[in-house]
Amino acid sequence: DAMVIQNPRYQVTQFGKPVTLSCSQTLNHNVMYWYQQKSSQAPKLLFHYYDKDFNNEADTPDNFQSRRPNTSFCFLDIRSPGLGDAAMYLCATSRGGRQETQYFGPGTRLLVL
Amino acid sequence: GQSLEQPSEVTAVEGAIVQINCTYQTSGFYGLSWYQQHDGGAPTFLSYNALDGLEETGRFSSFLSRSDSYGYLLLQELQMKDSASYFCAGIGYQLIWGAGTKLIIKP
Repeated sequence: DAMVIQNPRYQVTQFGKPVTLSCSQTLNHNVMYWYQQKSSQAPKLLFHYYDKDFNNEADTPDNFQSRRPNTSFCFLDIRSPGLGDAAMYLCATSRGGRQETQYFGPGTRLLVL
Repeated sequence: GQSLEQPSEVTAVEGAIVQINCTYQTSGFYGLSWYQQHDGGAPTFLSYNALDGLEETGRFSSFLSRSDSYGYLLLQELQMKDSASYFCAGIGYQLIWGAGTKLIIKP
């Protein structure tokens, strides 16, 4: 089945220690998104790729970076995680410009010690 | 500014009908999406309205009125498994999510 896959499902890191979260998709969608979601809040869009074009949200901290080496894979790098970065990180995809229909992966829950 | 407002919590009884409202203020608006998210799970796409009127998908329907900057999600024949958070998301120059409505269903 075509899907969005995120690894790992749970990630524990230390304060200030760089961490990378992974997302892959078999849907062959050209748009990939990274969201941060904290408890009882809406998903917060961090950035998205339209093909290779990177689009950063204005309020996304510089501490967050992303890489998309090919259509199928996208990575979220947190350079120096703080306690406030503990959250669920969701990867999503959509076909073309159809932002209205996004397919989400199961998420990676990040714990910062 | 751009924003979407929806009630934080709605309570309903199993088998009943419930409506979750969403009012929006977005630049370059061209549509409203709805997502369902169970606790600990990922959002799942439910419905999308680009035009005024009602879109029906099984027990779920979504409505949009552009003139009123308003939409709603209608859930019929509620089942316990429908207990979840429901998000509206406005599609325009930016993609803006509402804060979510927690739907509590009682037997």
